[in-house]
Amino acid sequence: DGGITQSPKYLFRKEGQNVTLSCEQNLNHDAMYWYRQDPGQGLRLIYYSQIVNDFQKGDIAEGYSVSREKKESFPLTVTSAQKNPTAFYLCASRMLGQAYSGANVLTFGAGSRLTVL
Amino acid sequence: QQQVKQSPQSLIVQKGGISIINCAYENTAFDYFPWYQQFPGKGPALLIAIRPDVSEKKEGRFTISFNKSAKQFSLHIMDSQPGDSATYFCAANLGSNYKLTFGKGTLLTVNP
Repeated sequence: DGGITQSPKYLFRKEGQNVTLSCEQNLNHDAMYWYRQDPGQGLRLIYYSQIVNDFQKGDIAEGYSVSREKKESFPLTVTSAQKNPTAFYLCASRMLGQAYSGANVLTFGAGSRLTVL
Repeated sequence: QQQVKQSPQSLIVQKGGISIINCAYENTAFDYFPWYQQFPGKGPALLIAIRPDVSEKKEGRFTISFNKSAKQFSLHIMDSQPGDSATYFCAANLGSNYKLTFGKGTLLTVNP
């Protein structure tokens, strides 16, 4: 089955540590995205990538870093510079270059919950 | 920062009733207007979406109404069921760079 796999599902981090969240998709989607979800805040865009080896900052990129070395993979690193990292992180992907058809909508993974102790 | 404003923040409906969630966007929006449904601890899943050249789309009990001139769109859930209890997000592509901006979500509770 095609889809997006995020790991780990739960992660605990001590203050001052960097952690990396994994996101892998086998949908052959061009673009990949990372969103952060906090209660009452909706989904806020951290980073996105439309092509391998290229990515752009979203609305809340400070304290985060990403890489896109393969089309299928878009890992997110939460660095110690992120002041309030406890949140639910969502990875998503979609096809590009096509008008909306119902087949190229933004598809989400199951999420990773990060807790800073 | 361009926004999508969603209301209400929470909604309680009796089983069989109609649930209505509204969204408004600023400036120009492209592509399509999706609604996502999210259950606790899960990722959002696409519920229904509408293209900007269509004023209404219905899929089963779910209907999107779209008013392009007013820059508003809404989700109607007819005959609401307890299984519809979830958080609902609207979204719009507020630019031509393929990234969706989401509303802050509506927590729907359908009482049996």
